[in-house]
Amino acid sequence: EAQVTQNPRYLITVTGKKLTVTCSQNMNHEYMSWYRQDPGLGLRQIYYSMNVEVTDKGDVPEGYKVSRKEKRNFPLILESPSPNQTSLYFCASSLEGRQPQHFGDGTRLSIL
Amino acid sequence: SQQGEEDPQALSIQEGENATMNCSYKTSINNLQWYRQNSGRGLVHLILIRSNEREKHSGRLRVTLDTSKKSSSLLITASRAADTASYFCATDAAGAQKLVFGQGTRLTINP
Repeated sequence: EAQVTQNPRYLITVTGKKLTVTCSQNMNHEYMSWYRQDPGLGLRQIYYSMNVEVTDKGDVPEGYKVSRKEKRNFPLILESPSPNQTSLYFCASSLEGRQPQHFGDGTRLSIL
Repeated sequence: SQQGEEDPQALSIQEGENATMNCSYKTSINNLQWYRQNSGRGLVHLILIRSNEREKHSGRLRVTLDTSKKSSSLLITASRAADTASYFCATDAAGAQKLVFGQGTRLTINP
Protein backbone atom coordinates (compact mmCIF):
# COMPACT_ATOMS: atom_id res chain seq x y z
CA GLU A 1 0.00 0.00 0.00
CA ALA A 2 1.29 3.44 -0.97
CA GLN A 3 1.82 5.46 2.15
CA VAL A 4 3.68 8.18 3.98
CA THR A 5 4.49 7.20 7.55
CA GLN A 6 5.23 9.71 10.28
CA ASN A 7 6.44 8.99 13.80
CA PRO A 8 5.58 9.77 16.47
CA ARG A 9 1.90 10.61 16.03
CA TYR A 10 1.78 12.52 19.31
CA LEU A 11 4.52 14.02 21.44
CA ILE A 12 4.53 16.24 24.50
CA THR A 13 7.95 17.56 25.42
CA VAL A 14 9.67 20.49 27.06
CA THR A 15 11.41 23.57 25.74
CA GLY A 16 14.96 22.98 24.55
CA LYS A 17 14.89 19.19 24.35
CA LYS A 18 15.96 18.19 20.85
CA LEU A 19 13.49 16.04 18.95
CA THR A 20 13.18 14.39 15.57
CA VAL A 21 10.00 13.54 13.68
CA THR A 22 10.60 10.82 11.14
CA CYS A 23 8.93 10.57 7.74
CA SER A 24 9.18 7.70 5.31
CA GLN A 25 7.48 7.06 1.95
CA ASN A 26 7.32 3.89 -0.11
CA MET A 27 6.37 5.35 -3.49
CA ASN A 28 9.86 6.20 -4.75
CA HIS A 29 8.88 9.86 -4.87
CA GLU A 30 11.52 12.47 -5.62
CA TYR A 31 9.81 15.33 -3.78
CA MET A 32 9.14 15.47 -0.04
CA SER A 33 7.92 18.30 2.11
CA TRP A 34 7.08 19.26 5.68
CA TYR A 35 4.12 21.46 6.65
CA ARG A 36 2.73 22.78 9.86
CA GLN A 37 -0.97 23.42 10.34
CA ASP A 38 -2.21 26.00 12.81
CA PRO A 39 -5.75 27.30 13.40
CA GLY A 40 -6.46 30.35 11.27
CA LEU A 41 -3.16 30.04 9.42
CA GLY A 42 -3.81 26.99 7.28
CA LEU A 43 -1.02 24.78 6.01
CA ARG A 44 2.41 26.37 5.75
CA GLN A 45 5.47 24.78 4.22
CA ILE A 46 8.54 24.44 6.46
CA TYR A 47 11.12 22.74 4.21
CA TYR A 48 11.07 20.71 1.05
CA SER A 49 13.40 18.41 -0.84
CA MET A 50 13.42 17.87 -4.57
CA ASN A 51 15.80 14.90 -4.39
CA VAL A 52 18.42 13.20 -2.26
CA GLU A 53 20.82 15.73 -0.72
CA VAL A 54 18.76 18.64 -2.10
CA THR A 55 16.73 20.59 0.46
CA ASP A 56 15.36 24.12 0.52
CA LYS A 57 13.51 26.43 2.84
CA GLY A 58 9.78 26.84 2.65
CA ASP A 59 7.78 29.70 4.11
CA VAL A 60 8.44 29.10 7.82
CA PRO A 61 11.86 27.38 8.22
CA GLU A 62 13.08 29.13 11.38
CA GLY A 63 13.82 26.71 14.21
CA TYR A 64 13.76 23.60 12.02
CA LYS A 65 16.30 21.44 10.22
CA VAL A 66 15.89 18.64 7.71
CA SER A 67 18.06 16.14 5.91
CA ARG A 68 17.56 13.89 2.88
CA LYS A 69 20.22 11.20 2.90
CA GLU A 70 17.98 8.59 1.33
CA LYS A 71 15.12 9.00 -1.12
CA ARG A 72 12.52 7.43 1.17
CA ASN A 73 13.28 9.35 4.40
CA PHE A 74 12.94 13.02 5.27
CA PRO A 75 13.24 13.66 9.01
CA LEU A 76 12.30 16.97 10.61
CA ILE A 77 14.59 18.08 13.43
CA LEU A 78 13.82 20.60 16.13
CA GLU A 79 17.21 21.34 17.73
CA SER A 80 15.82 23.49 20.55
CA PRO A 81 12.03 23.38 20.51
CA SER A 82 10.04 26.33 21.79
CA PRO A 83 6.34 26.68 22.68
CA ASN A 84 5.59 28.51 19.40
CA GLN A 85 6.43 25.28 17.60
CA THR A 86 3.44 23.58 19.17
CA SER A 87 1.49 22.53 16.10
CA LEU A 88 0.20 19.74 13.89
CA TYR A 89 2.91 18.65 11.45
CA PHE A 90 2.47 16.86 8.15
CA CYS A 91 4.95 15.20 5.87
CA ALA A 92 4.05 14.80 2.20
CA SER A 93 5.60 13.31 -0.92
CA SER A 94 5.00 13.49 -4.65
CA LEU A 95 6.69 12.79 -7.97
CA GLU A 96 7.60 16.46 -8.21
CA GLY A 97 6.62 19.61 -6.36
CA ARG A 98 3.58 20.62 -8.39
CA GLN A 99 2.05 17.16 -8.60
CA PRO A 100 -0.58 15.70 -6.22
CA GLN A 101 0.92 15.13 -2.81
CA HIS A 102 0.46 12.14 -0.53
CA PHE A 103 0.24 13.13 3.12
CA GLY A 104 1.09 11.31 6.29
CA ASP A 105 -1.44 11.19 9.13
CA GLY A 106 0.27 13.97 11.02
CA THR A 107 2.27 14.47 14.20
CA ARG A 108 0.80 16.56 16.98
CA LEU A 109 3.60 18.25 18.92
CA SER A 110 3.12 20.07 22.20
CA ILE A 111 6.13 21.99 23.50
CA LEU A 112 5.72 23.04 27.14
CA SER B 1 2.61 33.71 1.37
CA GLN B 2 -1.07 32.94 0.83
CA GLN B 3 -1.88 32.01 -2.73
CA GLY B 4 -5.30 30.40 -2.47
CA GLU B 5 -8.17 31.57 -0.31
CA GLU B 6 -11.30 29.51 0.17
CA ASP B 7 -14.78 30.83 0.62
CA PRO B 8 -16.82 30.29 2.71
CA GLN B 9 -14.72 29.42 5.75
CA ALA B 10 -17.51 27.16 6.99
CA LEU B 11 -20.55 25.60 5.34
CA SER B 12 -23.33 23.53 6.89
CA ILE B 13 -25.95 21.81 4.72
CA GLN B 14 -28.44 18.95 4.87
CA GLU B 15 -27.58 15.53 3.56
CA GLY B 16 -28.56 15.21 -0.08
CA GLU B 17 -28.00 18.88 -0.89
CA ASN B 18 -25.18 20.14 -3.08
CA ALA B 19 -22.17 21.91 -1.55
CA THR B 20 -20.17 24.55 -3.37
CA MET B 21 -16.82 25.91 -2.23
CA ASN B 22 -14.78 28.58 -3.92
CA CYS B 23 -11.08 29.31 -4.16
CA SER B 24 -9.40 32.50 -5.34
CA TYR B 25 -5.72 32.91 -6.06
CA LYS B 26 -3.38 35.73 -6.94
CA THR B 27 -0.75 34.73 -9.49
CA SER B 28 -0.78 32.68 -12.70
CA ILE B 29 -0.75 28.93 -12.19
CA ASN B 30 -0.01 25.68 -14.00
CA ASN B 31 -2.57 23.69 -12.08
CA LEU B 32 -4.98 23.89 -9.16
CA GLN B 33 -5.74 21.00 -6.84
CA TRP B 34 -8.41 20.23 -4.26
CA TYR B 35 -7.79 18.18 -1.13
CA ARG B 36 -9.99 16.85 1.68
CA GLN B 37 -8.97 16.57 5.31
CA ASN B 38 -10.97 14.53 7.78
CA SER B 39 -10.66 15.68 11.36
CA GLY B 40 -7.18 15.05 12.71
CA ARG B 41 -5.99 13.22 9.58
CA GLY B 42 -3.72 14.01 6.66
CA LEU B 43 -4.92 15.68 3.49
CA VAL B 44 -6.15 13.49 0.67
CA HIS B 45 -5.87 14.59 -2.96
CA LEU B 46 -9.24 14.79 -4.72
CA ILE B 47 -8.75 16.32 -8.14
CA LEU B 48 -6.31 18.34 -10.25
CA ILE B 49 -7.34 20.78 -12.95
CA ARG B 50 -4.80 22.27 -15.34
CA SER B 51 -4.73 25.91 -16.33
CA ASN B 52 -5.94 25.09 -19.87
CA GLU B 53 -8.97 23.17 -18.57
CA ARG B 54 -12.28 24.77 -17.61
CA GLU B 55 -14.12 21.91 -15.95
CA LYS B 56 -13.36 18.49 -14.59
CA HIS B 57 -15.48 15.75 -13.04
CA SER B 58 -14.71 12.89 -10.69
CA GLY B 59 -17.67 10.94 -9.35
CA ARG B 60 -19.83 13.41 -7.37
CA LEU B 61 -17.16 16.11 -7.62
CA ARG B 62 -17.17 18.85 -10.22
CA VAL B 63 -14.38 21.41 -10.39
CA THR B 64 -14.36 24.53 -12.51
CA LEU B 65 -11.50 26.89 -13.19
CA ASP B 66 -11.71 30.47 -14.46
CA THR B 67 -8.19 31.73 -15.05
CA SER B 68 -9.42 35.19 -16.09
CA LYS B 69 -10.96 35.61 -12.63
CA LYS B 70 -8.26 33.58 -10.90
CA SER B 71 -10.87 31.43 -9.22
CA SER B 72 -12.03 27.85 -8.93
CA SER B 73 -15.05 26.14 -7.45
CA LEU B 74 -15.59 22.65 -6.06
CA LEU B 75 -19.12 21.26 -6.23
CA ILE B 76 -20.07 18.14 -4.30
CA THR B 77 -23.42 16.82 -5.45
CA ALA B 78 -25.86 14.76 -3.40
CA SER B 79 -23.82 15.24 -0.22
CA ARG B 80 -23.43 12.48 2.36
CA ALA B 81 -22.53 12.53 6.03
CA ALA B 82 -19.14 11.06 5.08
CA ASP B 83 -18.37 14.24 3.10
CA THR B 84 -18.05 16.14 6.39
CA ALA B 85 -14.44 17.39 6.30
CA SER B 86 -12.30 20.42 5.54
CA TYR B 87 -11.58 21.11 1.89
CA PHE B 88 -8.47 22.91 0.67
CA CYS B 89 -7.40 24.28 -2.66
CA ALA B 90 -3.72 24.31 -3.55
CA THR B 91 -2.02 26.16 -6.35
CA ASP B 92 1.42 26.03 -7.87
CA ALA B 93 2.64 29.53 -8.48
CA ALA B 94 4.07 29.51 -12.01
CA GLY B 95 7.76 28.68 -11.93
CA ALA B 96 7.71 27.37 -8.38
CA GLN B 97 8.19 23.70 -7.54
CA LYS B 98 5.76 23.74 -4.64
CA LEU B 99 2.10 23.96 -3.73
CA VAL B 100 0.58 26.72 -1.65
CA PHE B 101 -2.54 25.81 0.29
CA GLY B 102 -5.47 27.98 1.27
CA GLN B 103 -6.96 27.99 4.76
CA GLY B 104 -9.77 25.64 3.84
CA THR B 105 -13.55 25.40 4.00
CA ARG B 106 -15.01 23.37 6.84
CA LEU B 107 -18.00 21.46 5.47
CA THR B 108 -20.59 19.87 7.77
CA ILE B 109 -23.27 17.58 6.37
CA ASN B 110 -26.25 17.28 8.71
CA PRO B 111 -28.24 14.01 8.59
